[in-house]
Amino acid sequence: NAGVTQTPKFRVLKTGQSMTLLCAQDMNHEYMYWYRQDPGMGLRLIHYSVGEGTTAKGEVPDGYNVSRLKKQNFLLGLESAAPSQTSVYFCASSYDSNRQPQHFGDGTRLSIL
Amino acid sequence: SQQGEEDPQALSIQEGENATMNCSYKTSINNLQWYRQNSGRGLVHLILIRSNEREKHSGRLRVTLDTSKKSSSLLITASRAADTASYFCATGSGGDDKIIFGKGTRLHILP
Repeated sequence: NAGVTQTPKFRVLKTGQSMTLLCAQDMNHEYMYWYRQDPGMGLRLIHYSVGEGTTAKGEVPDGYNVSRLKKQNFLLGLESAAPSQTSVYFCASSYDSNRQPQHFGDGTRLSIL
Repeated sequence: SQQGEEDPQALSIQEGENATMNCSYKTSINNLQWYRQNSGRGLVHLILIRSNEREKHSGRLRVTLDTSKKSSSLLITASRAADTASYFCATGSGGDDKIIFGKGTRLHILP
């Protein structure tokens, strides 16, 4: 039972490049979340999904897009990477909204040069 | 915007001592959760306490919630080196599908 798996684990991009981060969960959870973690800032919510085919904006959505075509997968896209998007990105999933614990992946460390 | 604020930001104690971390929040909540993050890893859920509960225990962990003061505390008893990590509180409010994290407390257990 893998839980939440994020790929890739590390990536270096040049300003203006695009990429997609993949999150996969095998717990049949409805809710999935993308966060970014910066030093001294805690975790900030980028986008989230309450079920297959749905997405919603979080606290810091600008510069990111997401898709949830399959229940088990939640993709985070950067269309034109900027140095301000250098961060550690975490995906999480939950069985029932904010009433149940979230399960986290181990993160993707992204550097934008 | 951050809902929970942990205090202290950093804490160093000797192995075997108890560690206490506090979390304050601003608006009414349905529940409050505590998570642990080891260096280079994702967050791991520790305890969820609902707004109608005052205290919960899990092994060496004790969480209290005081909704009148809008605060919670996490107590780790008989600390071990493996407890060295960052600890985050997160609050969930009614009708919301997300939780909001604080900035965390960095706990360092000295041998």
